Amino acid sequence: QQQVKQSPQSLIVQKGGISIINCAYENTAFDYFPWYQQFPGKGPALLIAIRPDVSEKKEGRFTISFNKSAKQFSLHIMDSQPGDSATYFCADRLMEYGNKLVFGAGTILRVKS
Amino acid sequence: GAGVSQSPSNKVTEKGKDVELRCDPISGHTALYWYRQSLGQGLEFLIYFQGNSAPDKSGLPSDRFSAERTGGSVSTLTIQRTQQEDSAVYLCASSLGLAEWDEQFFGPGTRLTVL
Repeated sequence: QQQVKQSPQSLIVQKGGISIINCAYENTAFDYFPWYQQFPGKGPALLIAIRPDVSEKKEGRFTISFNKSAKQFSLHIMDSQPGDSATYFCADRLMEYGNKLVFGAGTILRVKS
Repeated sequence: GAGVSQSPSNKVTEKGKDVELRCDPISGHTALYWYRQSLGQGLEFLIYFQGNSAPDKSGLPSDRFSAERTGGSVSTLTIQRTQQEDSAVYLCASSLGLAEWDEQFFGPGTRLTVL
């Protein structure tokens, strides 16, 4: 059973600060690593994703850093805003299994204004 | 609407009853996925469809769970003889296909409560 380990479980950051969430995966095959953002009462929505042949990907205030040798990847949210307060999930998309997603346990982010 | 829709949004049932949860994927999306989100287990994969066939049912928790997809569109997840541990939010997602960059779009989920 594939696993993705995510930390921290919860995070409180001041407005304008940097939020950092870390994940570690097990699968050794070529996969794809998306991050999802979920607001209460809504389904998860794709935030940003990275392929393992890339070490970093940046989209606006969101950056994924990927360390293939350590099997770790992280999400950095720069200049965090109260509107970023949500639950964040990292995932391992298993391309050899129909692209099914194996999710981390989630991180509840609260940005204080 | 353009997104994935699910019905009902909330379902309360008594232990032992059967329930059916419906998912309408985005038009033209050939792949459809069911996930379950619960406090104890987080977000877990249940089953996926490519067209009307289900190549991977490995995530279904027990034989009380089944799913079908007809016409390459609507999917129904059926839970027979519901148990309290089935209480969770059931999420459906669809994607254009199974290519590397085909994003999964999630519906709002059905919250199932088994009393």
